[in-house]
Amino acid sequence: EIVLTQSPGTLSLSPGERATLSCRASQSVSSTYLAWYQQKPGQAPRLLIYGASNRATGTPDRFSGSGSGTDFTLIISRVEPEDFAVYYCQQYGRTFGQGTKLEIK
Amino acid sequence: QVQLVESGGGVVQPGRSLRLSCAASGFTFSNYDVHWVRQAPGKGLEWVAVISYDGSNKYSADSVKGRFTISRDNSKNTLYLQMNSLRAEDTAVYYCAREVRNCSSTRCYPQYFDLWGRGTLVTVSS
Repeated sequence: EIVLTQSPGTLSLSPGERATLSCRASQSVSSTYLAWYQQKPGQAPRLLIYGASNRATGTPDRFSGSGSGTDFTLIISRVEPEDFAVYYCQQYGRTFGQGTKLEIK
Repeated sequence: QVQLVESGGGVVQPGRSLRLSCAASGFTFSNYDVHWVRQAPGKGLEWVAVISYDGSNKYSADSVKGRFTISRDNSKNTLYLQMNSLRAEDTAVYYCAREVRNCSSTRCYPQYFDLWGRGTLVTVSS
């Protein structure tokens, strides 16, 4: 079973700063099957990125995904107030990472 | 409106049973594999189970295997999760989610979840 490890656990930034979130797999994952979700308190997760780098409908272009093999990254170029949330990576529509909480510094 | 709406959550004693439902609308439910995902209070997302579009294939996480059963009724556009022998650690918000697959010439793999319900809370407590 592939384990996804996200880092950091918590990321404290100010609006306007760049956010870099990491997702590392215990074995190689096809980038086609790596997705990122955003979850705000009291809400269901929302698909942000699929296929490691494709923005889902409605995802602002300040969000970008990259990576291959075992290392994947989600970048928010300039964090907006509405971006403070928890972010999860997922592989093969099953296993989730433990999440990275993006909080206001 | 394209949506999934869960129901059936509540407070239940350890060892008892509960059945969750997920009603789909606004799309052709029978074309999609669908999943249950749960989230314990203050914790991350945990995949629970999946059922294929026609109900012929089902898979579940080891943590619920033998206790939870996923099923669907395409005539009613509804997904179910029968939860038996409930434990305190099953306390969570349960979400249903629609899967998008990626298919090659030979087979398909689950790729991501593009539609989620709002969830229903299950609390297992005496």
